[in-house]
Amino acid sequence: NAGVTQTPKFQVLKTGQSMTLQCAQDMNHEYMSWYRQDPGMGLRLIHYSVGAGITDQGEVPNGYNVSRSTTEDFPLRLLSAAPSQTSVYFCASSYSAGDNSPLHFGNGTRLTVT
Amino acid sequence: GQNIDQPTEMTATEGAIVQINCTYQTSGFNGLFWYQQHAGEAPTFLSYNVLDGLEEKGRFSSFLSRSKGYSYLLLKELQMKDSASYLCAVRALGGNNRLAFGKGNQVVVIP
Repeated sequence: NAGVTQTPKFQVLKTGQSMTLQCAQDMNHEYMSWYRQDPGMGLRLIHYSVGAGITDQGEVPNGYNVSRSTTEDFPLRLLSAAPSQTSVYFCASSYSAGDNSPLHFGNGTRLTVT
Repeated sequence: GQNIDQPTEMTATEGAIVQINCTYQTSGFNGLFWYQQHAGEAPTFLSYNVLDGLEEKGRFSSFLSRSKGYSYLLLKELQMKDSASYLCAVRALGGNNRLAFGKGNQVVVIP
């Protein structure tokens, strides 16, 4: 049981490049989400999904796209990277969105945009 | 929207007790979570409160007062490995029950 798996662990991009951060969970969780964590800002929600085929915007969605074609996978796409997107990105999942199910976090992707 | 406030840093001695506070404002409360995050690692779940009162799990306890918009995490018998950031997260009714996180409280345990 691997839990939440994120790849890559580290990435350096040049401004304007695009890339996809991968996230997969093997716990049959319905709810999946992406957060970014910046010094002094705490974790901020980018996008989330309450089930396959359903996605919605969080607090800071601009510059990011997501899709949820399967229950297991929830990739995050950066369309045209900007230095402001330098951050640590966490994917997290839970059994459901509305009860006491805690979020399980992946190990994070440390992204630098130059 | 949600507004969550936590103090930023505190230092405590090994073996001591430390209390980490969290105050929040939200339109429709639906649960509060505490997470622990060691430097360079992912957050891990510690506790959950949805009703008023104290929840105890070993050396960690969490308290909630919904009328005051207030929670605290109590760490007893501090160990060096407890040096970490402690995150308070509030779930609001509606909006698919999204979690909003505070900025975290850094606890440094010294010998």
